[in-house]
Amino acid sequence: AQSVAQPEDQVNVAEGNPLTVKCTYSVSGNPYLFWYVQYPNRGLQFLLKYITGDNLVKGSYGFEAEFNKSQTSFHLKKPSALVSDSALYFCAVRDGSSNTGKLIFGQGTTLQVKP
Amino acid sequence: KAGVTQTPRYLIKTRGQQVTLSCSPISGHRSVSWYQQTPGQGLQFLFEYFSETQRNKGNFPGRFSGRQFSNSRSEMNVSTLELGDSALYLCASSLAAATGLSSYEQYFGPGTRLTVT
Repeated sequence: AQSVAQPEDQVNVAEGNPLTVKCTYSVSGNPYLFWYVQYPNRGLQFLLKYITGDNLVKGSYGFEAEFNKSQTSFHLKKPSALVSDSALYFCAVRDGSSNTGKLIFGQGTTLQVKP
Repeated sequence: KAGVTQTPRYLIKTRGQQVTLSCSPISGHRSVSWYQQTPGQGLQFLFEYFSETQRNKGNFPGRFSGRQFSNSRSEMNVSTLELGDSALYLCASSLAAATGLSSYEQYFGPGTRLTVT
């Protein structure tokens, strides 16, 4: 069975400091990994994905994520946080070995960036 | 390109009623998926459609159904509404392929907020 864990309900960081939002996954086939962000009363906005290749993937708004196969992790990072980055972040996994678009989401992590 | 659109944005229904939600995908996208978002259960997959065929279904009761039209627009229906069906229903579209492995990301609409009283 596929699953995603985001161990932190909330991450607090000061503006200008680096941020990390953690994600670990479990999937039987090839993991396709995604990060989404949700602002209040909005849908989910795609940030970045890992399918294959370089373990460090870069996405929108200066975000990047590092895929670690041995630790089954896909942590989201940003070198310098902005107050406007404050939102709810979701990690998601898809079994790349199956012909389905079904995404399994983590429970979400609230990022709070303080000025 | 216009994004994924969902109508209506807000809906209030009474227990026992039924409801139909609509989703128009991004132009050219043939795959549409639906998700339910609640504070307690988080984001849960409902079903996925590709070229008018349901390709995958989540663990929801039969009261939840959907369909996709030839223009890729999709609707989902919930019959005999229960209080627990109150949620944000999100639709997502992608450039999924007909066969083989799909690495495409999904793009989400703003959602329909359903409140059941």
